[in-house]
Amino acid sequence: KQEVTQIPAALSVPEGENLVLNCSFTDSAIYNLQWFRQDPGKGLTSLLLIQSSQREQTSGRLNASLDKSSGRSTLYIAASQPGDSATYLCAVNGGATNKLIFGTGTLLAVQP
Amino acid sequence: NAGVMQNPRHLVRRRGQEARLRCSPMKGHSHVYWYRQLPEEGLKFMVYLQKENIIDESGMPKERFSAEFPKEGPSILRIQQVVRGDSAAYFCASSRRTSSSYEQYFGPGTRLTVT
Repeated sequence: KQEVTQIPAALSVPEGENLVLNCSFTDSAIYNLQWFRQDPGKGLTSLLLIQSSQREQTSGRLNASLDKSSGRSTLYIAASQPGDSATYLCAVNGGATNKLIFGTGTLLAVQP
Repeated sequence: NAGVMQNPRHLVRRRGQEARLRCSPMKGHSHVYWYRQLPEEGLKFMVYLQKENIIDESGMPKERFSAEFPKEGPSILRIQQVVRGDSAAYFCASSRRTSSSYEQYFGPGTRLTVT
């Protein structure tokens, strides 16, 4: 059974810092992995999707990497801003029926 | 291109009533997924549907919950005889099969409160 864990559970950094969020999964047989952000009381915004054959994806200040064999993904945020404050979720797609298994989330606070 | 639409955004029901949650996928998307986020818990998969077919309902509670995605119209998640434990945020996502991606796009959610 696939389990997805994210560490840290919460993170507070001053504005301008670079930071890394971690995601680990127990079953390496995945189809893809998505990173999302969720603002309080809102829906999920897809940030990046990495296919199982890819090693990384980049979008603006965000870079996500995937090491399928070790069951790990990282989300790197460069030059953090207060507007980056949100909960960040990773989710793996096992491929059989496309259901996403979500991690526990990292609550990020960027202090101005 | 409008995103995934869900309505209502907020729904209050008394115990024993029925709740109907609607989801209109993005244009061109034929796959719909429902997830539930209980207070202080993570997002959990409920059901995956394609037009007129339930593909995977392994996350659906065995009783009182049902889902459909008809040929015409939105997908409906129906909860009969709601109980307080059904209070949660229900999110719908949609995807379009491409050659390599089933990227899912989420709606804003319906927040169900059972009193």
